[in-house]
Amino acid sequence: GENVEQHPSTLSVQEGDSAVIKCTYSDSASNYFPWYKQELGKGPQLIIDIRSNVGEKKDQRIAVTLNKTAKHFSLHITETQPEDSAVYFCAASRGGTASKLTFGTGTRLQVTL
Amino acid sequence: NAGVTQTPKFRVLKTGQSMTLLCAQDMNHEYMYWYRQDPGMGLRLIHYSVGEGTTAKGEVPDGYNVSRLKKQNFLLGLESAAPSQTSVYFCASSAGSGGGETQYFGPGTRLLVL
Repeated sequence: GENVEQHPSTLSVQEGDSAVIKCTYSDSASNYFPWYKQELGKGPQLIIDIRSNVGEKKDQRIAVTLNKTAKHFSLHITETQPEDSAVYFCAASRGGTASKLTFGTGTRLQVTL
Repeated sequence: NAGVTQTPKFRVLKTGQSMTLLCAQDMNHEYMYWYRQDPGMGLRLIHYSVGEGTTAKGEVPDGYNVSRLKKQNFLLGLESAAPSQTSVYFCASSAGSGGGETQYFGPGTRLLVL
């Protein structure tokens, strides 16, 4: 089955700096890669996703890049703000009958003032 | 729209007791999922359903059963709770049809098994 590794497990940045979270996956057939943000006491919420036919996608301060050859994808957050502090999860899916996601172990991002 | 709701929010069980967690969605989604979240392990899929009346095993199904009698509801049952089932349980739903569909998560149920 799919295995997704995520690094780092914790990340502390100063407000205004950039943050980068990296994930690798094992199943070359995976073709959908979402990123979820989980705030304390809440369920994960999708913030951005990318499909295997695209190398990069941006949404305001958030961007995701995908390297299919190396089987890794990354989340980039620019101009970080305190409200970006949360746990971020990457995931991968092969698609098919059901969109079963395999999640990474999460990165706790703390944005300090 | 309430989205995905979960009942209860928190529960304490003794070893061997049983309970049912309820998930409801009002988005008319075909697919529903149950995950458990443990520290340092991300979210792991327990069971899922691709439509009313269907269920399938995920990555960690042992000790759990599920039912999807109505399209909007997905129930997760623990017949004989064990301390290893102490976790936070999340339900999610998606419109379906392939790996590209966004999953919407509920707020979670925190379960403590003593």
